[in-house]
Amino acid sequence: DGGITQSPKYLFRKEGQNVTLSCEQNLNHDAMYWYRQDPGQGLRLIYYSQIVNDFQKGDIAEGYSVSREKKESFPLTVTSAQKNPTAFYLCASSILGRNPTLGEQFFGPGTRLTVL
Amino acid sequence: KNQVEQSPQSLIILEGKNCTLQCNYTVSPFSNLRWYKQDTGRGPVSLTIMTFSENTKSNGRYTATLDADTKQSSLHITASQLSDSASYICVVSPNYGGSQGNLIFGKGTKLSVKP
Repeated sequence: DGGITQSPKYLFRKEGQNVTLSCEQNLNHDAMYWYRQDPGQGLRLIYYSQIVNDFQKGDIAEGYSVSREKKESFPLTVTSAQKNPTAFYLCASSILGRNPTLGEQFFGPGTRLTVL
Repeated sequence: KNQVEQSPQSLIILEGKNCTLQCNYTVSPFSNLRWYKQDTGRGPVSLTIMTFSENTKSNGRYTATLDADTKQSSLHITASQLSDSASYICVVSPNYGGSQGNLIFGKGTKLSVKP
């Protein structure tokens, strides 16, 4: 069953703690992305990666960190430096290329993070 | 500034009725426009992708139109069903392939279909 998975579905964190959100894909996609979604807001890009061991900051990277040690995995760590981490986090993946249809992003089911 | 504006913010319709959602964008250069459906608490799922040379694309009861001159797109839903209740997100890509790290997302239109 091909696709992109995220875990856990719900995550609760105490203030001051770091937490790591998992994202795995078996679509053999080159690129992976992390977005944050807040109520009434459009998705905002946190980090993205086009190749193993390389990643770029998105619009709101402060307080977050990522790694890309394997093509199929792109975990996101929400650090204690993130001032307002409560949000819905979405991971996506895509093929790299000029054809926009092939470059379509496929999204995971999301992780809802709540800071207590 | 690259922006994507969607209207209405929310919409309630009766089951079986048609509806049209709007998307205006000020993104340049323009590569393609996508419509996604997002059920509550789930990840978005792609409905259509259109390049600047396409002016209509259908996916079942969903039909998207694009006017690249006026920078407007619409998503028309025919014979709505209860399962159409979701947020519909318009996304514009200013990139001609390669990295997708600069997509511009609208805030979405929340559609509720009532029996």
